[in-house]
Amino acid sequence: DQQVKQNSPSLSVQEGRISILNCDYTNSMFDYFLWYKKYPAEGPTFLISISSIKDKNEDGRFTVFLNKSAKHLSLHIVPSQPGDSAVYFCAAGKGSARQLTFGSGTQLTVLP
Amino acid sequence: GAGVSQTPSNKVTEKGKYVELRCDPISGHTALYWYRQSLGQGPEFLIYFQGTGAADDSGLPNDRFFAVRPEGSVSTLKIQRTERGDSAMYLCASSPKRGQVLNTGELFFGEGSRLTVL
Repeated sequence: DQQVKQNSPSLSVQEGRISILNCDYTNSMFDYFLWYKKYPAEGPTFLISISSIKDKNEDGRFTVFLNKSAKHLSLHIVPSQPGDSAVYFCAAGKGSARQLTFGSGTQLTVLP
Repeated sequence: GAGVSQTPSNKVTEKGKYVELRCDPISGHTALYWYRQSLGQGPEFLIYFQGTGAADDSGLPNDRFFAVRPEGSVSTLKIQRTERGDSAMYLCASSPKRGQVLNTGELFFGEGSRLTVL
């Protein structure tokens, strides 16, 4: 039972355009969500997070949108840069529980 | 170093052997986590330590897997009688106590230990 799903295994975007990465979840108990970025041979690194009491959080070129009714969140990267090419993982957590549930990842390729 | 350190970075072993993977968390981080990532999948939770005790070990797949953190810092993940299905990247992460500095659940990951069981 996959509670966090990233249905697009890969995405290619031209440099300077917007990248939109999507994530769906099934567990309504999740109350915070995070995006991680992973380069080859490195561990995942935190990118941006959002609490379930918000519907948007922005940090520079990165914005995360949360639609609780649809159990959907998305990560927008504007403008996309070649250095953004990596695997992006969506993750969710709930309450005081400290474990995160991850999606399977989306490989983003930004073409110069 | 400043980040989470994991050793070895690569481990190749034979089926049935015993393996230990080590994690040195960020100094001052009280919480430590082990995750396992199989090819094409996201990290899957194994176990979480708060201090020296395992606060949640619900992700350990079976009793061949065990982890310790005797002094509340370095942790060792131990796998007995390894099987080919144990082959994966084992990721360690740490975080400050919730409510201090960061309260969004952010984890700081190491580079992982890649285990291959032949």
